[in-house]
Amino acid sequence: GAVVSQHPSWVICKSGTSVKIECRSLDFQATTMFWYRQFPKQSLMLMATSNEGSKATYEQGVEKDKFLINHASLTLSTLTVTSAHPEDSSFYICSAPRPRTGPKETQYFGPGTRLLVL
Amino acid sequence: AQKITQTQPGMFVQEKEAVTLDCTYDTSDQSYGLFWYKQPSSGEMIFLIYQGSYDEQNATEGRYSLNFQKARKSANLVISASQLGDSAMYFCAMRSNNAGNMLTFGGGTRLMVKP
Repeated sequence: GAVVSQHPSWVICKSGTSVKIECRSLDFQATTMFWYRQFPKQSLMLMATSNEGSKATYEQGVEKDKFLINHASLTLSTLTVTSAHPEDSSFYICSAPRPRTGPKETQYFGPGTRLLVL
Repeated sequence: AQKITQTQPGMFVQEKEAVTLDCTYDTSDQSYGLFWYKQPSSGEMIFLIYQGSYDEQNATEGRYSLNFQKARKSANLVISASQLGDSAMYFCAMRSNNAGNMLTFGGGTRLMVKP
C-alpha cells in the first residue's frame, strides 16, 4: 500500500490564487521530504528539499517566495504555490526517503498533484 | 554535479519478450545509489529496483534486473517477459551519499509493449 500520500490529487484554480499541497509519510517519520515538478513529457525536476524544524533548501531558479514550503511535523510537509499563474500549471510530486531497515533502499513518492491554473 | 542520461526516448517491445532500458550516469562520488522508477499514465512513481554502488551483485526484483557496470557507469534496466501493463515511462535516478537523499533523474524512456 501507499506509504506517502499527497492531497489534493488535482486542483483547478484561478490565476492569482494560492494553492496548498500536502505530503504525508504514512507509516514512517521523514525528517526530509523532496518536492519535484514535472511538466508534460518531461522528467522530474527537484524544486526544493523540505527539512523538519528548519528552512527549506531551494534549487537554483526556484522562487522561494512563490513556492512556500513548511515541514510542520515529522510526517507532513506542505507546498504552497502563492499567486499562481498559468505557467505554474504542472504536476507536483513529493517524495520521502524511508529509513533503511534492510539491504534495500527505497524512496517513496506521493501520487502527485496536478495543478491547472486558469 | 551528477548527471543521468537515458538515450532512448521511446522503445517498443513485443509482449513476452525481454527489453533493456539504458541508463548512464556521471558522478565523482564513490558512494551512491541507483534507482529505477516506473511512471504509468496516472503519474504515480512506482519504485522498481535499487542498486548500491558498493553492491557486488546485480540487483533483481522479480521480472526486473539491473545490469550494473560500475566501470562504464551504466545501470541498465532489464525487463523480462514484457507484459502489456509494462507500458509506461521509466526513469533512472541517482542519489549521492554526499548530497543528502535527493534524487537526480534522467530524461526517461517511454516503453510501449505491443500485443
